[in-house]
Amino acid sequence: SAVISQKPSRDICQRGTSLTIQCQVDSQVTMMFWYRQQPGQSLTLIATANQGSEATYESGFVIDKFPISRPNLTFSTLTVSNMSPEDSSIYLCSVEGRTSTDTQYFGPGTRLTVL
Amino acid sequence: AQTVTQSQPEMSVQEAETVTLSCTYDTSESDYYLFWYKQPPSRQMILVIRQEAYKQQNATENRFSVNFQKAAKSFSLKISDSQLGDAAMYFCAYRTPFRNEKLTFGTGTRLTIIP
Repeated sequence: SAVISQKPSRDICQRGTSLTIQCQVDSQVTMMFWYRQQPGQSLTLIATANQGSEATYESGFVIDKFPISRPNLTFSTLTVSNMSPEDSSIYLCSVEGRTSTDTQYFGPGTRLTVL
Repeated sequence: AQTVTQSQPEMSVQEAETVTLSCTYDTSESDYYLFWYKQPPSRQMILVIRQEAYKQQNATENRFSVNFQKAAKSFSLKISDSQLGDAAMYFCAYRTPFRNEKLTFGTGTRLTIIP
């Protein structure tokens, strides 16, 4: 499995501001995934991030609202822009395993509350 | 599009007893992967067990086993000798056999362990 860390672990933000979430992996990976988990809900993929190219967004998610950077093979950031209370969620990054490439492993998540 | 259904929003089981969580899915693919993830209150998504669709043998991991019925598109999780630490949300997930593909999650089952 991969060891994944996320920063911050939680934050409380004001409406209209932006927050950048960092995801760090202990090994080089091709693709990183960003998921959103709204309160009491399941996980929904926001986008996939490949190093050196634009992120690919799922239907309902746009780059202006959720810009993603992927500067190298071990790191990615997700920004939640112009936040509203509806953005209050847990945001998780995940990667495929080094040996078990069919399995995704998740970071500890970032709990975001927007007031 | 693939869908994953978990029809039991909540389940409870007496400590040391056995419980089965249900999952059905819909896909037109013949090869794919299925997973059960556990999410305790810490919100970390933890892989419990995985199943490759082309393998007829049901996967087992210690006290956790699955009943994979490919024709019925059913993938249930059996937890034997339930322990207090098993209390969590359990998510069933599907993935195609291709690398760097997203996970499609069910809505989850909240499992409570009764001491």
